[in-house]
Amino acid sequence: GAGVSQSPRYKVAKRGQDVALRCDPISGHVSLFWYQQALGQGPEFLTYFQNEAQLDKSGLPSDRFFAERPEGSVSTLKIQRTQQEDSAVYLCASSEFTGNTEAFFGQGTRLTVV
Amino acid sequence: TQLLEQSPQFLSIQEGENLTVYCNSSSVFSSLQWYRQEPGEGPVLLVTVVTGGEVKKLKRLTFQFGDARKDSSLHITAAQPGDTGLYLCAGATSGTYKYIFGTGTRLKVLA
Repeated sequence: GAGVSQSPRYKVAKRGQDVALRCDPISGHVSLFWYQQALGQGPEFLTYFQNEAQLDKSGLPSDRFFAERPEGSVSTLKIQRTQQEDSAVYLCASSEFTGNTEAFFGQGTRLTVV
Repeated sequence: TQLLEQSPQFLSIQEGENLTVYCNSSSVFSSLQWYRQEPGEGPVLLVTVVTGGEVKKLKRLTFQFGDARKDSSLHITAAQPGDTGLYLCAGATSGTYKYIFGTGTRLKVLA
């Protein structure tokens, strides 16, 4: 597709449930980022992939969060045993090159934990 | 932890007015970006500035990067209702690949 695609757009999970959020980056883009955005705030960095390698996962808030990009294209962010504080919009972005280059964002997945 | 502070946090103005949004940090950035985000959408890149003192114009929007590369401003001339949205600055430090986002400025332009 022409842009970054994320699915699902909305997800409601019961507390304790596991969820998986998918990101389809722009074809050929080397870099892929996941961000978490709380209501009314700026996005906060979660993790970064360069192709299939996860080079930085320093922003993942706990070991319940796990991200992968096994073939260097599609990425999945998994949250185990969801908690109410996990409720947020999860944004995926990709960029063509490594380093500080233009990143294109998807529409995000809004996760609500009830 | 947010390293970039934006001001004002909220701004509501009438169509045709001018406004300036500020983005400040104690850190030096190798590049700084401005995004606009509309409800239910991801941020959309407006501009990237990389040189201290750099000024870039995008129609009615003027972006400036501070001489010391620690701060930036966005000036909108003759604001339109279509300018309504969340404006985010994001900075990257030399040798890193991730952008740290600011706290955001929510702008509402009334017709």
